[in-house]
Amino acid sequence: QVQLVQSETEVKKPGASVSISCKTSGYTFSNYTIHWVRQAPGQRLEWLGWINAGSGGTVYSPHFRGRVFFRRDTSASTAYMELGSLRSEDTAVYYCARRHYDVLTGYYLDYWGQGTPVTVSS
Amino acid sequence: DIQMTQSPSSLSASVGDTVTIACRASQYINIHLNWYQQKPGKAPNLLIYAASNLQVGVSSRFSGSGSGSDFTLSISDLQPEDVAVYYCQQSHSTPCTFGGGTKVEIK
Repeated sequence: QVQLVQSETEVKKPGASVSISCKTSGYTFSNYTIHWVRQAPGQRLEWLGWINAGSGGTVYSPHFRGRVFFRRDTSASTAYMELGSLRSEDTAVYYCARRHYDVLTGYYLDYWGQGTPVTVSS
Repeated sequence: DIQMTQSPSSLSASVGDTVTIACRASQYINIHLNWYQQKPGKAPNLLIYAASNLQVGVSSRFSGSGSGSDFTLSISDLQPEDVAVYYCQQSHSTPCTFGGGTKVEIK
């Protein structure tokens, strides 16, 4: 079965960077795109961008461009997200999710990781 | 960015009721609208894709409709396990955006 398993809780100081991994299994990693979404406490879901696991191509939300970076390791079927210049407002649960795309229906996020809580505090 | 507005922000209904959640996009998004259910402490779970298509494994008590900019999610025969927050998401243009959520509770 399809699974996305994320790395554990992180606590960081303002100005630092955080790296989160998303290890996938149960499907061909290179055939799909991985999206990253976060949820601050009591807030709506917020999209950070995606990485094409096959080509390595990326699209970043303009709200995070310059601070966020995605990469993947196809041999390990794992995607990574790094967010830099952390501030308290970046405290959130970060999710990876697999994108399913169809030319008729567009795309949707059909499988999600369990989430990685990140706390930014001095 | 396309703004997604959900209403109501919360609702309380009895077991067996039918409830409806609305989602409006600030511009045309065709049928590129997905619905997710999120239970406390869990990741979102896909319910409906492309406005009206039921995801495999999801109860047929969930249904979606709409196109253009106005959409609805209906839950028939409401059950205790449906207690959750429901989010709409547009995938029509980048950046994709989510609604503010609707919290569903049981009376």
